[in-house]
Amino acid sequence: DTEVTQTPKHLVMGMTNKKSLKCEQHMGHRAMYWYKQKAKKPPELMFVYSYEKLSINESVPSRFSPECPNSSLLNLHLHALQPEDSALYLCASSPGRGSYNSPLHFGNGTRLTVT
Amino acid sequence: DAKTTQPNSMESNEEEPVHLPCNHSTISGTDYIHWYRQLPSQGPEYVIHGLTSNVNNRMASLAIAEDRKSSTLILHRATLRDAAVYYCILRDGLDSGGSNYKLTFGKGTLLTVNP
Repeated sequence: DTEVTQTPKHLVMGMTNKKSLKCEQHMGHRAMYWYKQKAKKPPELMFVYSYEKLSINESVPSRFSPECPNSSLLNLHLHALQPEDSALYLCASSPGRGSYNSPLHFGNGTRLTVT
Repeated sequence: DAKTTQPNSMESNEEEPVHLPCNHSTISGTDYIHWYRQLPSQGPEYVIHGLTSNVNNRMASLAIAEDRKSSTLILHRATLRDAAVYYCILRDGLDSGGSNYKLTFGKGTLLTVNP
């Protein structure tokens, strides 16, 4: 079990659907991350939130829309995805400012399939 | 980001020590060396990190070369549960306005543990 909880574990969606991925942590962390991982590849950073503000966007297409409603929650809203967006989406958290070397805590991901 | 080079794969036997090498010849003075691992069907997991001195924790040891251009992750007695992809990552320890939240994964080393 991890301290970062991601739901759902699996998601299948059509290209015209709108869905959301959810991530929750209760460690008091103030930095939260979204990563995307294709099969047999390393995780790739998508977004970083610091103190509920978007800090890093790695030029991610607008069909992925992150949201951080409070310090414990991170959402990723999905709209008009393509089959090549099928991947494992990983959420992570870390303490935040002044603790840049603190480890990231990862969830076990949401396996997304776009049909 | 400073780059790391790791072997694509390594094999070991159960209950024997494992030495996982990492080269980082362009490391800067403020870069910390982090190691994460990713077990099958799970998110990445922090293992250990260090700056200049060797480090030990309950999971592993980290040996850092005197010139800091290479490091070695040491698993003292490999178990079947240690079979995973191991990532060596450089992370800037300076406060650079948030960009050092980034944790950029390279290709990693796939460790196979034989019974």
